[in-house]
Amino acid sequence: DTAVSQTPKYLVTQMGNDKSIKCEQNLGHDTMYWYKQDSKKFLKIMFSYNNKELIINETVPNRFSPKSPDKAHLNLHINSLELGDSAVYFCASSRGQGKREQYFGPGTRLTVT
Amino acid sequence: GENVEQHPSTLSVQEGDSAVIKCTYSDSASNYFPWYKQELGKGPQLIIDIRSNVGEKKDQRIAVTLNKTAKHFSLHITETQPEDSAVYFCAAAVGYSTLTFGKGTMLLVSP
Repeated sequence: DTAVSQTPKYLVTQMGNDKSIKCEQNLGHDTMYWYKQDSKKFLKIMFSYNNKELIINETVPNRFSPKSPDKAHLNLHINSLELGDSAVYFCASSRGQGKREQYFGPGTRLTVT
Repeated sequence: GENVEQHPSTLSVQEGDSAVIKCTYSDSASNYFPWYKQELGKGPQLIIDIRSNVGEKKDQRIAVTLNKTAKHFSLHITETQPEDSAVYFCAAAVGYSTLTFGKGTMLLVSP
């Protein structure tokens, strides 16, 4: 019955590798998001996406790309991983249509060695 | 763009005391102000929110106040309990734009 789920929960990889994090929501929401939380707990939006529009935070390197196979999924692909990419990544969703409450997934802790 | 400042960064209280966390925002057009609670190892969870047409909102032991003139809003938790211990985030948004979060407050409630 998990509303927003992410896989994997932990991801350890080496610099230069390419990895993906999957996100699924079963709430029927229209908009999905990816956030990065650094070691100081600062939460920063990376992307927001609905079936019409992708909004990219201009500070996000183009090595990061969201891909949405359907309305319930928004996966995050990361190419050429760097040490500074180590963080916890959260997926979230909201209903849209005037409802702004966001529901967060449990997070994926990415460690780049 | 929007900038949200949050204070204090850490807050320690005794069980039963009240806790207050304050945030200021920079964009006078912001009209949506949610508060999230993040427990260890979990994602943030919305606990209360307020819109700019309201000055105060309460939900049991938690309340949020908004001062649009001064561009600040606060979270008030009364009768704190150990299970209130977590990191709390304020955020602000203009219309249906993305949220800008404060840097978080670690609240520790001691029994």
